[in-house]
Amino acid sequence: EAGVAQSPRYKIIEKRQSVAFWCNPISGHATLYWYQQILGQGPKLLIQFQNNGVVDDSQLPKDRFSAERLKGVDSTLKIQPAKLEDSAVYLCASSLDPGSNIQYFGAGTRLSVL
Amino acid sequence: AQSVTQPDIHITVSEGASLELRCNYSYGATPYLFWYVQSPGQGLQLLLKYFSGDTLVQGIKGFEAEFKRSQSSFNLRKPSVHWSDAAEYFCAVGAVDSGGYQKVTFGIGTKLQVIP
Repeated sequence: EAGVAQSPRYKIIEKRQSVAFWCNPISGHATLYWYQQILGQGPKLLIQFQNNGVVDDSQLPKDRFSAERLKGVDSTLKIQPAKLEDSAVYLCASSLDPGSNIQYFGAGTRLSVL
Repeated sequence: AQSVTQPDIHITVSEGASLELRCNYSYGATPYLFWYVQSPGQGLQLLLKYFSGDTLVQGIKGFEAEFKRSQSSFNLRKPSVHWSDAAEYFCAVGAVDSGGYQKVTFGIGTKLQVIP
């Protein structure tokens, strides 16, 4: 069974530029999560999707971050414009259903904002 | 809201020695508890989980954890550490909200160094 796929693995941009990350969850997993992991901290939930609908985006900085999951499968997270403090690893995870207690994580995208 | 405390940011153990990583949680009801491991450049991998029942849970790679309600703790243990166990370990607490959605909160992690 293929795991959660994320790309790119690394991205370096300058502040005020835009960037996008892509995630393809495990086949059949209805719930998809995006986390931000700043160095030295645990993952923090940014947004949670159930199929193509948003369940929770309370921690998403909506003035600069956006995410979509148009067909209920893969998802894109965008930052525009990026700030220095956005430097982090962006992790995507998926689970079989919203009440499932197990999330499966991708390897993440490491973003450096200069 | 739930929260997790991992009091040890960094731990060093000798290969072959025993290991215990501490985790304390805060949650009003019986929580779902998890331990994840993250190797450098990798995502998080689930080591073990506790939902209910036996308070001593076994996981992968020879790890186990014990849920102690009276101490609000869920410490991770391994009797003999291998060099390949060097990684960062995250404790997490989960709860299902009124809408039926799982919400997971992670601790800040404990970085494990294994010396020969």
